[in-house]
Amino acid sequence: EPEVTQTPSHQVTQMGQEVILRCVPISNHLYFYWYRQILGQKVEFLVSFYNNEISEKSEIFDDQFSVERPDGSNFTLKIRSTKLEDSAMYFCASLTVPNEQFFGPGTRLTVL
Amino acid sequence: AQSVTQLGSHVSVSEGALVLLRCNYSSSVPPYLFWYVQYPNQGLQLLLKYTTGATLVKGINGFEAEFKKSETSFHLTKPSAHMSDAAEYFCAVSDQTGGGNKLTFGTGTQLKVEL
Repeated sequence: EPEVTQTPSHQVTQMGQEVILRCVPISNHLYFYWYRQILGQKVEFLVSFYNNEISEKSEIFDDQFSVERPDGSNFTLKIRSTKLEDSAMYFCASLTVPNEQFFGPGTRLTVL
Repeated sequence: AQSVTQLGSHVSVSEGALVLLRCNYSSSVPPYLFWYVQYPNQGLQLLLKYTTGATLVKGINGFEAEFKKSETSFHLTKPSAHMSDAAEYFCAVSDQTGGGNKLTFGTGTQLKVEL
């Protein structure tokens, strides 16, 4: 069964460093998403991406964040200068019809 | 704007007992509703969804949920709990307009199943 994959499973970085989280969505899906879950809290929407551009973003998704689909398969989330509060589990999801988002296993980001 | 309220951050049931996890939503447009399950250190797995049509939807692992528009609810039930059901459960809503369809999640309910 097709699945969304994410790498790495765990990323540890120093505050102020740039990180890139990678996702490979399901191949025939057209919409892509990033969500995050701070430990013990609910899952929060960050950004949605369609047709090579951002279709919606939340207040969390400020100028430090960017997304890209550099080729036909990968979907990346970049955090330019990480802060302690960026420590969270980051989930990628892709969407098919009718409206079922498939989630990847997540990347746990730890900012020290 | 949409929102989801899950009453009870922790629910404990005995094995074999009824599971009832509550979810109420707020949406200005007809919603799509979802229940996801998250096992420890894992991602989110879709249990079931309501889009249109029949208001009682059945999902995996014996779970079902009923969409009640008048009550703005989408409670999750399972007739008989199993130890393997212990996990965190998230209710989520998205709207039917446009293509973005972001999910808005509730705060989650941790289900504990006791012998």
